[in-house]
Amino acid sequence: DIQMTQSPSSLSASVGDRVTITCRASQSINSHLNWYQQKPGRAPNLLIYSVSSLQSGVPSRFSGTGSGTYFTLTITSLQPEDFAIYYCQQSYLTPRTFGQGTRVEVK
Amino acid sequence: EVQLVESGGGLVQPGGSLRLSCAASEFTFSNHWMTWVRQAPGKGLEWVANINQDGSEKNYVDSVKGRFSISRDTGKNSVYLQMNSLRAEDTAVYYCARDLGSFYYDTSGENGYYYYMDVWGKGTTVTV
Repeated sequence: DIQMTQSPSSLSASVGDRVTITCRASQSINSHLNWYQQKPGRAPNLLIYSVSSLQSGVPSRFSGTGSGTYFTLTITSLQPEDFAIYYCQQSYLTPRTFGQGTRVEVK
Repeated sequence: EVQLVESGGGLVQPGGSLRLSCAASEFTFSNHWMTWVRQAPGKGLEWVANINQDGSEKNYVDSVKGRFSISRDTGKNSVYLQMNSLRAEDTAVYYCARDLGSFYYDTSGENGYYYYMDVWGKGTTVTV
């Protein structure tokens, strides 16, 4: 199975900060990389698919880059509603594994 | 509104069985792969299984192979997860999700679909 490793596992940030989360795959997944946001007690919500394509309705402060085995999710100017857990997921091979998550907390 | 609604969760003894259901509405169910994802209490997301449009292809995470079975009924716009020989480690919220594919054709000549889960249900809780 492809292992997905996110870093950091958690971070503290303030409103207005720029935040970057990284995700590494244990083998090349080309551009088959998605990002999801999850808030407490809620289902995950798709943010970005195929590395950098923004899902409809997602604010443009979210962006994604990368290819092969290394990917990043960046939130420019963090907003109060962005405090949540973020997961990367590869859809290159089944099982379509997730990273362990990155918790973005209020500083 | 495009919607997925899970049901069938509950409390079950180890070794027991449960059948989860996921009812889809307001989209053409037969056009989509469907997926089950679970989340143990306080833990991250775990992809469990998926099924293709006509039910001829199914994939599972190793930890549930031989115990769980995914199926679908196009007439009822529903996808199911039959869970047998349940273990304590199967305790989780189980989410149903719609897979969407985006076709790509790159400069190297490779083509295919980028898959992602764009619609999720609210989940159903299974406690073993």
